[in-house]
Amino acid sequence: DADVTQTPRNRITKTGKRIMLECSQTKGHDRMYWYRQDPGLGLQLIYYSFDVKDINKGEISDGYSVSRQAQAKFSLSLESAIPNQTALYFCAAGTGNEQYFGPGTRLTVT
Amino acid sequence: GQQLNQSPQSMFIQEGEDVSMNCTSSSIFNTWLWYKQDPGEGPVLLIALYKAGELTSNGRLTAQFGITRKDSFLNISASIPSDVGIYFCAGAKGSGGSNYKLTFGKGTLLTVNP
Repeated sequence: DADVTQTPRNRITKTGKRIMLECSQTKGHDRMYWYRQDPGLGLQLIYYSFDVKDINKGEISDGYSVSRQAQAKFSLSLESAIPNQTALYFCAAGTGNEQYFGPGTRLTVT
Repeated sequence: GQQLNQSPQSMFIQEGEDVSMNCTSSSIFNTWLWYKQDPGEGPVLLIALYKAGELTSNGRLTAQFGITRKDSFLNISASIPSDVGIYFCAGAKGSGGSNYKLTFGKGTLLTVNP
């Protein structure tokens, strides 16, 4: 268990607002990930980072940006939120192929 | 992106019954993982498989890494109400670089009737 925490757990925001979702992990894993989950679509990778200086786009990175402030912290930003970014967002951390997920942030964009 | 084919999409069973679900792909994976997600929570890693033919258990759960490396199976024996949730399979191509990315199935929703 990577002990991954996410804040906030729930957020409602308006179209056009900037919002940041934060993720921390306590197990010292080098790799961190951000996923989006929509009903019927499973988990889609937004961005991933293999260390502090390494940031990579995933399948659906448009409209999102990330920052790896430290090995333990990986934040996801929506610069100008739009309604179709309403979803459940998960951060994960891991070493090798195993990934351990946080509890998620439910984001609603109105 | 590529998705794994996970089946069945949903299952309704009686408490005490055994459950089987599987995940298939058109390409080879070198790691298979099985996760469970409870409502409103993040996926929890149940079992990790690293070798073709490997059979691994975690309590009442048993998972197998298919010989062809294109499939994996999860069995739950003697189901109980707390087994309810969505079960996801995930595969990784291998080690090194972007091969650490996971490809996920769409999940199997399990409902257990007491």
